[in-house]
Amino acid sequence: SQTIHQWPATLVQPVGSPLSLECTVEGTSNPNLYWYRQAAGRGLQLLFYSVGIGQISSEVPQNLSASRPQDRQFILSSKKLLLSDSGFYLCAWRDKEKAGNTIYFGEGSWLTVV
Amino acid sequence: GDSVTQMEGPVTLSEEAFLTINCTYTATGYPSLFWYVQYPGEGLQLLLKATKADDKGSNKGFEATYRKETTSFHLEKGSVQVSDSAVYFCALRQDGQNFVFGPGTRLSVLP
Repeated sequence: SQTIHQWPATLVQPVGSPLSLECTVEGTSNPNLYWYRQAAGRGLQLLFYSVGIGQISSEVPQNLSASRPQDRQFILSSKKLLLSDSGFYLCAWRDKEKAGNTIYFGEGSWLTVV
Repeated sequence: GDSVTQMEGPVTLSEEAFLTINCTYTATGYPSLFWYVQYPGEGLQLLLKATKADDKGSNKGFEATYRKETTSFHLEKGSVQVSDSAVYFCALRQDGQNFVFGPGTRLSVLP
């Protein structure tokens, strides 16, 4: 069966510090991968998605970046965090071969920028 | 572009009450429709889905019917429990495109 894990689960970072959130998927190959952000009490905002290794599409301009160094690994980064980067970050994957298929989410990472 | 609208809540119900969370969508074509649930501090989990008109998705006592004529996918449950307290997201996806999520509806069930 397929699983998705992201870490760390919780982190508190000072303004201006770097960020690295990592996500890995097991039990599937060549998935579509996604990073979403959920600000407190708000809906989901798609940040980045990737259809393959090294292929990243950005949905919103900001000081975050994403990379996909391996087929089932997706990394969210920042060189200098802002207060507004605080939120709940969700990694997700989808099997692109299946029509009408489901997106599966990781457990989420709580980021507090202080 | 495609969009999903749902009642934002919060919705507060007593245990065993009937639940309806409305969801309507705007889309060109015929998307698949989904309901996801997010329990406190967790990621989203698929609750149910429907891939074509008149399909009914069901899971854990929840149901939703894909109504093409009213572009709706309302979520219902006959008798809610305290453990159903969560945020519920309606979503759609067209082939070849990314998911579009609604803003989420927070449900609180009181004992």
